Amino acid sequence: AQSVTQLGSHVSVSEGALVLLRCNYSSSVPPYLFWYVQYPNQGLQLLLKYTTGATLVKGINGFEAEFKKSETSFHLTKPSAHMSDAAEYFCAVSLNAGNNRKLIWGLGTSLAVNP
Amino acid sequence: DAMVIQNPRYQVTQFGKPVTLSCSQTLNHNVMYWYQQKSSQAPKLLFHYYDKDFNNEADTPDNFQSRRPNTSFCFLDIRSPGLGDAAMYLCATSITAVQPQHFGDGTRLSIL
Repeated sequence: AQSVTQLGSHVSVSEGALVLLRCNYSSSVPPYLFWYVQYPNQGLQLLLKYTTGATLVKGINGFEAEFKKSETSFHLTKPSAHMSDAAEYFCAVSLNAGNNRKLIWGLGTSLAVNP
Repeated sequence: DAMVIQNPRYQVTQFGKPVTLSCSQTLNHNVMYWYQQKSSQAPKLLFHYYDKDFNNEADTPDNFQSRRPNTSFCFLDIRSPGLGDAAMYLCATSITAVQPQHFGDGTRLSIL
């Protein structure tokens, strides 16, 4: 069965510090991986995705993530946190197989950015 | 801009009184999803349509129904809302499951 684990339900960083949000997945087939961000009282917005090809993926707002098959990880990073990055972040995996049309979601990580 | 629009943004209803939430899209995507999201939780998929093909999640209560009269619109009907149904309801679309989902801003449902 496929699953997504986000380590750390709450992460707090100082403004200007490195942001690292962890995501590990399990999948029996090559996965498609996504990071979404959710600001209060809004829907989810795609930050970046990995499908095939280059394992380092760059997204919006200066975020990037690296797909590491050997570690079954897809951690999200940003070199320098900004106050506006404070939000909820969700990692998700989709199967590249058959008629599957669903995402498997992690439980989310709430990022706080301190001045 | 092409987008996913949910109306209303905030909905208040009474315990047991039927309520309908709406979603429209200008993306012309085949797949439409309804999610329920409670505070500080991940979105929980209720059901999805692939074109007119309806797919219900096994644990979605019978109290929840959905209609998709055409490609652009999808409705979530809650026949007899209970206090536990108070949540944010999110609509999303995608071309296929391996393509990103595009979300509306959600409808926050309150039950009195």
